[in-house]
Amino acid sequence: AQSVTQLGSHVSVSEGALVLLRCNYSSSVPPYLFWYVQYPNQGLQLLLKYTSAATLVKGINGFEAEFKKSETSFHLTKPSAHMSDAAEYFCAVSLYNQGGKLIFGQGTELSVKP
Amino acid sequence: DAGVTQSPTHLIKTRGQQVTLRCSPISGHKSVSWYQQVLGQGPQFIFQYYEKEERGRGNFPDRFSARQFPNYSSELNVNALLLGDSALYLCASSLWGEETQYFGPGTRLLVL
Repeated sequence: AQSVTQLGSHVSVSEGALVLLRCNYSSSVPPYLFWYVQYPNQGLQLLLKYTSAATLVKGINGFEAEFKKSETSFHLTKPSAHMSDAAEYFCAVSLYNQGGKLIFGQGTELSVKP
Repeated sequence: DAGVTQSPTHLIKTRGQQVTLRCSPISGHKSVSWYQQVLGQGPQFIFQYYEKEERGRGNFPDRFSARQFPNYSSELNVNALLLGDSALYLCASSLWGEETQYFGPGTRLLVL
C-alpha cells in the first residue's frame, strides 16, 4: 500500500532563507506526486505535480520539487522565503487507476520570521 | 473560470443528526472526489464519483454516502453524526483519467 511521510510537522525559516519541506513516499509502482498548500480557513491549492515527465518540477510562487526514485523522495524547495509563504503544506501521492484516491501526508506548517 | 464551489461554508449540527454537503465542479470536469480533513491532519479520501457512479471508496462507515447528478455536481450525506465527524470536508474535481485534482474551499462541520 502506498503512503506518504512528511518529516517535520513544523518548519520555521527567516524571510529570504531557503525553504526545504521533506516528503518521502512508499509505492510499489511509479506514482504521481503532488504538493498542495493550504492557507488558514481555506481549501487546498495545487503548487506542483510530478507525473513521470521531468524529475525536476517547477510550480507556482517560485516553488520546485525534485523526484528522486532511488530515495523515494519528493522534497519541496524555494530559494528565498517570503512572509506570504506561511501556510500548511501537504505532499500527496496517487496511482493511476486508483479511483482518484489521493493519499496525503500529515502536513508541514511553515512559519516565516521577519 | 469559476473553481470548485461548496456549500454551505460552515455548519453546526448535534449528535445523531444528518447533514448534506454540496459541491459543484469546475466546468468540464466530470469527476468529483470527497475528502475529510480532521484538525491537524491531512485530508482522508472518502469517495470518488464519475458519470454518477461510485468509482472509489475510502475507509469510512456506511453512514457516509454520496451521489452525483447529471450536471456533475455532487452531494455528500452523513447520517447519525458523531462528535468525531467534526472536520473540514473538501470536494475536488478533475477530468476523468487525469490525476490532478482541484479543491474547493471546503465545508467546516462542527458536531456538538
